[in-house]
Amino acid sequence: QQKVQQSPESLIVPEGAMTSLNCTFSDSASQYFAWYRQHSGKAPKALMSIFSNGEKEEGRFTIHLNKASLHFSLHIRDSQPSDSALYLCAVSIDKVVFGTGTRLQVSP
Amino acid sequence: GGIITQTPKFLIGQEGQKLTLKCQQNFNHDTMYWYRQDSGKGLRLIYYSITENDLQKGDLSEGYDASREKKSSFSLTVTSAQKNEMAVFLCASSIRTHGNTLYFGEGSRLIVV
Repeated sequence: QQKVQQSPESLIVPEGAMTSLNCTFSDSASQYFAWYRQHSGKAPKALMSIFSNGEKEEGRFTIHLNKASLHFSLHIRDSQPSDSALYLCAVSIDKVVFGTGTRLQVSP
Repeated sequence: GGIITQTPKFLIGQEGQKLTLKCQQNFNHDTMYWYRQDSGKGLRLIYYSITENDLQKGDLSEGYDASREKKSSFSLTVTSAQKNEMAVFLCASSIRTHGNTLYFGEGSRLIVV
């Protein structure tokens, strides 16, 4: 049974800071890794995904994946108050399993 | 673009009652999911379906039934509502099961009195 854990549970950063969110998973056969963002009272929406080891950048967002250490992360450059939300990592083999969530607050 | 519609937005029922949530998608996606979200925390998979009439259990399936009679719809039944399962239930769909983006509905909030 896949276990997906996120850290930290919550985070407050000042506007303009770099934010780093972490996700660990238990099944080394996992093949799809993604981050979703959920603003308060809204539906989760996909941010970005990665399939193979390494790094992928889209705008202010970067994913790092290290399958050997069962770890991937999301980095947000120049964090904005509009980035304040619940961040969910997701891992998939045959089904998509989500992590425990990290609540990010960016203070102006 | 497509949309996922969940009904009702709020479902109020009594303890022990059987309650049903419905989900419709017009993406023409093969795979549909039901997740439960407690108090703004992570999502836990209840059931998913890879095609019409298929059902696969998630980690949280006990106490729930699901039905996928049409490709576009997926329903979830709480077989005996309990006060400790008041939560938001999220429906999602994707083109296929593996490696594809999930698109979510706005959620249905279950309130048990």
